Amino acid sequence: NAGVTQTPKFRVLKTGQSMTLLCAQDMNHEYMYWYRQDPGMGLRLIHYSVGEGTTAKGEVPDGYNVSRLKKQNFLLGLESAAPSQTSVYFCASSSGILEQYFGPGTRLTVT
Amino acid sequence: AQTVTQSQPEMSVQEAETVTLSCTYDTSENNYYLFWYKQPPSRQMILVIRQEAYKQQNATENRFSVNFQKAAKSFSLKISDSQLGDTAMYFCAFMKHDTDKLIFGTGTRLQVFP
Repeated sequence: NAGVTQTPKFRVLKTGQSMTLLCAQDMNHEYMYWYRQDPGMGLRLIHYSVGEGTTAKGEVPDGYNVSRLKKQNFLLGLESAAPSQTSVYFCASSSGILEQYFGPGTRLTVT
Repeated sequence: AQTVTQSQPEMSVQEAETVTLSCTYDTSENNYYLFWYKQPPSRQMILVIRQEAYKQQNATENRFSVNFQKAAKSFSLKISDSQLGDTAMYFCAFMKHDTDKLIFGTGTRLQVFP
């Protein structure tokens, strides 16, 4: 039982490049989330999903897109990366009963 | 909108001693949940303890306990018998009832030294 996994763990992008972060969970959770964590700040919600085929905007959605084609996967896309998107990205999942389980994070640097 | 404030950017404590981390929040809601998450150097976010606002009794989990003051909108975390493995960032978080969205504070970096 791997829990929540994230791919890749590290990535460096040039401004304007695109990429997709993959989150996978094996706990059969309905809810999945993407957060970003910046220095001196707590985690902020980017997008979330309450079930397969659904997505919704969180607190800081601009510049990101998401898809939830399969229940176990939640993808976060950056179409045209900007230096302001340099951050650590966390995925989480939950059954909807309060506790969110977090992945190990992806450190993204945009130069 | 709800906000969560952690006014202590850094704290330190000697091994085996007790330390209290502060958290205040602002909300007009009556039904909500409060959490403390731990983020060790490995970056993995781990739930430490949870408190339901409708419960007057303070939550405890082994060496971890909270002091929940609903009227004062305060939710502090007490770590007893501190261990070196408690060294981490600690985040306080708020969740409104019937949502599944967490709102985090900015964190407190705790260093436990021998």
